[in-house]
Amino acid sequence: DVKVTQSSRYLVKRTGEKVFLECVQDMDHENMFWYRQDPGLGLRLIYFSYDVKMKEKGDIPEGYSVSREKKERFSLILESASTNQTSMYLCASSWRGSINEQFFGPGTRLTVL
Amino acid sequence: RKEVEQDPGPFNVPEGATVAFNCTYSNSASQSFFWYRQDCRKEPKLLMSVYSSGNEDGRFTAQLNRASQYISLLIRDSKLSDSATYLCVVRSSGSARQLTFGSGTQLTVLP
Repeated sequence: DVKVTQSSRYLVKRTGEKVFLECVQDMDHENMFWYRQDPGLGLRLIYFSYDVKMKEKGDIPEGYSVSREKKERFSLILESASTNQTSMYLCASSWRGSINEQFFGPGTRLTVL
Repeated sequence: RKEVEQDPGPFNVPEGATVAFNCTYSNSASQSFFWYRQDCRKEPKLLMSVYSSGNEDGRFTAQLNRASQYISLLIRDSKLSDSATYLCVVRSSGSARQLTFGSGTQLTVLP
């Protein structure tokens, strides 16, 4: 069974704090993704990575950065958290050859006060 | 205009009913189409791909109309366990790895 895990289910941070969200997958997937999900807006892609140390911007990269130092791990970084970054953050992964099915982690509900 | 649009619902139907969801997409170059299911407070999971000729998986039937740029999902003989949010998902030709998700249609099947 594919397993994608995220470091926290719930996180509360203050405005201006640096926030790290970690994602780990155990299926040797090449592709990894970070989304945020907001009511009425659906899932929006923040960044994705198709290999170690490679990254590409998604639709809403502003205010975020990412790191992929190891194949199984993809980190999302909020350099200076703001209240409009309060959201559900979902990590996903997929095989290089399977651009279709993405396997998601359970999500991290981040609240920025 | 959103790239993928869905009626948010909610759809409240009795057990055993047939229910259909539609989804429209704006990019005529879109190549691949899917339905994902997301249970309350859970992550999305792939329900089924949508093929040009239409396809069926048990009680679920997916259809694609390229000319009108819409996708549909039909659920027959609804079960309580079908209650979830159904996400329409599209992959465009210019993006090998990116999927674009609709905001979802919420279904509640009532006893």
